[in-house]
Amino acid sequence: GAGVSQSPSNKVTEKGKDVELRCDPISGHTALYWYRQRLGQGLEFLIYFQGNSAPDKSGLPSDRFSAERTGESVSTLTIQRTQQEDSAVYLCASRPGPPTGNTEAFFGQGTRLTVV
Amino acid sequence: GQQVMQIPQYQHVQEGEDFTTYCNSSTTLSNIQWYKQRPGGHPVFLIQLVKSGEVKKQKRLTFQFGEAKKNSSLHITATQTTDVGTYFCAGLLIYNQGGKLIFGQGTELSVKP
Repeated sequence: GAGVSQSPSNKVTEKGKDVELRCDPISGHTALYWYRQRLGQGLEFLIYFQGNSAPDKSGLPSDRFSAERTGESVSTLTIQRTQQEDSAVYLCASRPGPPTGNTEAFFGQGTRLTVV
Repeated sequence: GQQVMQIPQYQHVQEGEDFTTYCNSSTTLSNIQWYKQRPGGHPVFLIQLVKSGEVKKQKRLTFQFGEAKKNSSLHITATQTTDVGTYFCAGLLIYNQGGKLIFGQGTELSVKP
């Protein structure tokens, strides 16, 4: 596609349920990021995938959060046993890969998650 | 872990006034990028700075990268209502043949006409 695509755009879930968020990066982009943005707040780094390297999971807030990426394509962010504090917009971004790291990130429109 | 601090959190100006936001990293950065997020939208790339001491201009916007590659600033001259939004700096740490992007908390700019 022309840009980064995220689905669903909105998700309302009951506390305690699991949710899965999807990100389709721009074709050919080897770097993929997930961020969380709470209302009126900044972008909180969650996880970073780069090609076939082990992902950088240092930003995942708890073991309820996990993410996978198949090769250099689709990524899914899974939140288990959702809590109300998980309510936020989850943004995905992708960037072209090596040989240079000096490239911009392209963001999807985000998934707005509301836990009730 | 790596942190990027950005101040101020909010800035309210009268149209025509200048605006500046500052960014500081706890570690030396490979480069720094700036993004703008309009209300209800997603961050959109503005510019990146790579070299120590680099200064770049985009019309009324001036971006600077510090000599130590740990701080940066964005200055807007004579703000307009179209400048409204949240401005984020993002520090790039290159490793794994790619780069980890860490964002500052953002500065939300409101412009009163």
